[in-house]
Amino acid sequence: QVQLQQWGASLLKPSQTLSLTCAVTGMSVSGYYWTWIRQSPGKGLEWIGEMDHSAGDKYNPSLRSRVSFSFDTSRSQFSLRLTSVTAADTGIYYCARAVRVVVNTGDSLYEYSLMDVWGKGTTVIVSS
Amino acid sequence: DIQMTQSPSSLSASVGDRVTLTCRASQTINNCLSWYQLKPGKAPMLLIYAASTLQSGVPSRFSGSGSGTDFTLTINSLQPEDFATYSCQQTCSPPRTFGQGTRVEI
Repeated sequence: QVQLQQWGASLLKPSQTLSLTCAVTGMSVSGYYWTWIRQSPGKGLEWIGEMDHSAGDKYNPSLRSRVSFSFDTSRSQFSLRLTSVTAADTGIYYCARAVRVVVNTGDSLYEYSLMDVWGKGTTVIVSS
Repeated sequence: DIQMTQSPSSLSASVGDRVTLTCRASQTINNCLSWYQLKPGKAPMLLIYAASTLQSGVPSRFSGSGSGTDFTLTINSLQPEDFATYSCQQTCSPPRTFGQGTRVEI
């Protein structure tokens, strides 16, 4: 069964480091772009970034200085680290699998992606 | 960054209704748009990608349209399980930004 199972610390104090891991089961880890998204209370979804082994990882500029990704191929797991957390980092964090599709219309060439498999989310609360 | 604006922010509807949700991009994004359904305690679910392609397993009462900057998600004959929040996302370029969501309430 294609699944992403995620875990990590749920309660952090300000200035600590958020660390989450997502395990990939039932599918190959190759050929996909492993992604992190979050949702703060009362707000919409926020794209944190994605792992791109060929072209380099992509990050949301608003979080770039504090975010890092890692991938453990042997365990089929990928991880998110977010340093120096504040209350504004409170929310539900999701991992997801992204697929990219290249479109060639003849007049233009572009690429879109889609996130078709998601983890169930990890609630992270930052509070002193 | 490309800004995504959804409207309305919420709407009330009844079972059997047809509802249309709108998403607008701050610049042209071809058809690089996905729609997701969000429910508390559940993983977000991909409904539509490439603006109008129905994800496998998603009921056919969901449909998407649009290109460029303006997009719509239509739900025909709203079912009880469809009461949720719907979010659009531009998927052309990083950061792959989301709209703020439209909550569909009973």
